Formats: sequence, structure tokens, C-alpha cells
Amino acid sequence: SAVISQKPSRDICQRGTSLTIQCQVDSQVTMMFWYRQQPGQSLTLIATANQGSEATYESGFVIDKFPISRPNLTFSTLTVSNMSPEDSSIYLCSVKSPGQVTGELFFGEGSRLTVL
Amino acid sequence: AQTVTQSQPEMSVQEAETVTLSCTYDTSENNYYLFWYKQPPSRQMILVIRQEAYKQQNATENRFSVNFQKAAKSFSLKISDSQLGDTAMYFCAFSPSETYKYIFGTGTRLKVLA
Repeated sequence: SAVISQKPSRDICQRGTSLTIQCQVDSQVTMMFWYRQQPGQSLTLIATANQGSEATYESGFVIDKFPISRPNLTFSTLTVSNMSPEDSSIYLCSVKSPGQVTGELFFGEGSRLTVL
Repeated sequence: AQTVTQSQPEMSVQEAETVTLSCTYDTSENNYYLFWYKQPPSRQMILVIRQEAYKQQNATENRFSVNFQKAAKSFSLKISDSQLGDTAMYFCAFSPSETYKYIFGTGTRLKVLA
């Protein structure tokens, strides 16, 4: 299993500002995933953060808007840049179960952002 | 395109009763995994149960079981003896084998009534 801590748990932000979300895992993992969960909707993968290389972004998400850092095997950050009200969402960090190609995803508690 | 559909946005069940949440998916893959995740009001998602597509036997975890119909691409979750702590949003998810991709359904909000 993996224990994931995310900070902040929630924040209220002003339009045009940027916010960085931190994700800390209690074990070393190769890939970390950032998801967005818009109000009343499902989870959408934003990007995959790989240690030592640039993040891989899904269609509809770009690095300029969601820059990601992955300085080591237990930590990642996601920045939401130049925020607008449409960015109001829960942002979730997740990792796969260590040692399995396809297995359970472990999630952080999420960061609820409200953009005014 | 691979999709996951949960046709029941909200459901309710009396405590101790049984409830079934439906999920259908669309894929051309032959090898894949299916999951049910639970997201309580505290927001942390946890795995409820998982099913490998190559296994014909339906997965069971205590009060939770699935009815996996591969030909029909259906993957329903049955919760027996419902408890108040089962109140949560339930997401069905699909993942092709040998990938890190997960496709989630839109969720079913389940409320267990005392």
C-alpha cells in the first residue's frame, strides 16, 4: 500500500493567480498521476509525473497551465497557473501499487480549489 | 474510444438491505482490469474491489461482490447488508492491461438510510 499526503487540502484563490499543490508519498514510486475532479464529474487524468523526465500530459492539458515537478521518487508538485473560475476543482494525486504493472491506484485526499 | 458508463447518478438503500450499482464499458481490448472505487465524503478514494477480465469467476470482498459479464461489457457492484459507512460516491474504472491508463465513470452517489 501507499500513503499519500497532499497540501493544501483546500484553498480559495483569486482569478489570475497560481497555486502549487504538493504530493508526498511514503514509498518510492516510478510514476505519480495528477487527476482533476470537477464538481459533480468524474476523474480526468491531467498528466503523469515521471522522476527524472518531463511530465506526460493528456489531451487538453498543457504544461504552461499545469506545470509539474518531480524532483525525487516520493514527491511531486502540480501548479495551476493563471487560474480562472473554470479551474475550481478537486485535484488528486495518485500512485499505482508498487511492484505491479496494473493494479490498485492509491489516492491522496485531494486539494479542493475554489477560484473567485 | 474507451468509455465507462454509470447510468445511476444517485441511489439510496435502507440499512441492512442489498443494492446493486451498474456499470458498462466499451473497449476493443481483450485484456484489462475493472475496478470499483469508493469516495466517502472525506474525499479519499479507496479501492473496493477489482476484477481481471481473463478471470471468469466474479470477484468478492466480504459484503461486496461483482457481476462481471464480459460479452455484455457489464460490471455491476452488489453491496450486501448495507451499512451507514457505505454512504459514498462509487466510481467504476477500467484499465487496459500493461498500461497505466484508467478511465473512470461519472460515479453513483449512494446513500444508506438508517
